[in-house]
Amino acid sequence: DAKTTQPTSMDCAEGRAANLPCNHSTISGNEYVYWYRQIHSQGPQYIIHGLKNNETNEMASLIITEDRKSSTLILPHATLRDTAVYYCIVRIPGELTFGQGTILTVHP
Amino acid sequence: EADIYQTPRYLVIGTGKKITLECSQTMGHDKMYWYQQDPGMELHLIHYSYGVNSTEKGDLSSESTVSRIRTEHFPLTLESARPSHTSQYLCASSVVAYSSYNEQFFGPGTRLTVL
Repeated sequence: DAKTTQPTSMDCAEGRAANLPCNHSTISGNEYVYWYRQIHSQGPQYIIHGLKNNETNEMASLIITEDRKSSTLILPHATLRDTAVYYCIVRIPGELTFGQGTILTVHP
Repeated sequence: EADIYQTPRYLVIGTGKKITLECSQTMGHDKMYWYQQDPGMELHLIHYSYGVNSTEKGDLSSESTVSRIRTEHFPLTLESARPSHTSQYLCASSVVAYSSYNEQFFGPGTRLTVL
């Protein structure tokens, strides 16, 4: 599996964009980038995934660099309910391996 | 809204007891998973199943066992609970094993405490 590196924690003001980086310099050509988040005491929730192209859905945008060695998850207008642990996972489709993730705290 | 259920939500039990954690999903998903997560720590995959009569061990060694007799049901059993089994257990399911989409739907979890 490609190892991912994420900051331990980040802060964001409510209403502003939250940009969560992820480094995956050893990613293989057939590995996808997945993002999940886990709100305290709940099960993880799928956010978005991508292979090469940037992706957008109702929750977030995923920007993948051209060399695919890093990516950024963007929450365009963070709310207090977006406070959670965000996991960047790089895998071929199949089982997921959750790392430490980034603790995002959205404050008023 | 994901339709995956876990019971009980909380369980406090004494050492040596046999326990079964229930997980059911009504989405018709073939693949199901069990994860273990200590407070503030990473999720670790302990068991998964591709479908009926399929069970596989995950990345983290576990003394628990699982069964998959019906598509919708994936119970986890501990024959003799110990304090080291105290943790949160999360069940998940997904539509297709090797689709790039790979979205896993998680249940609310069972928080187990063994005294």
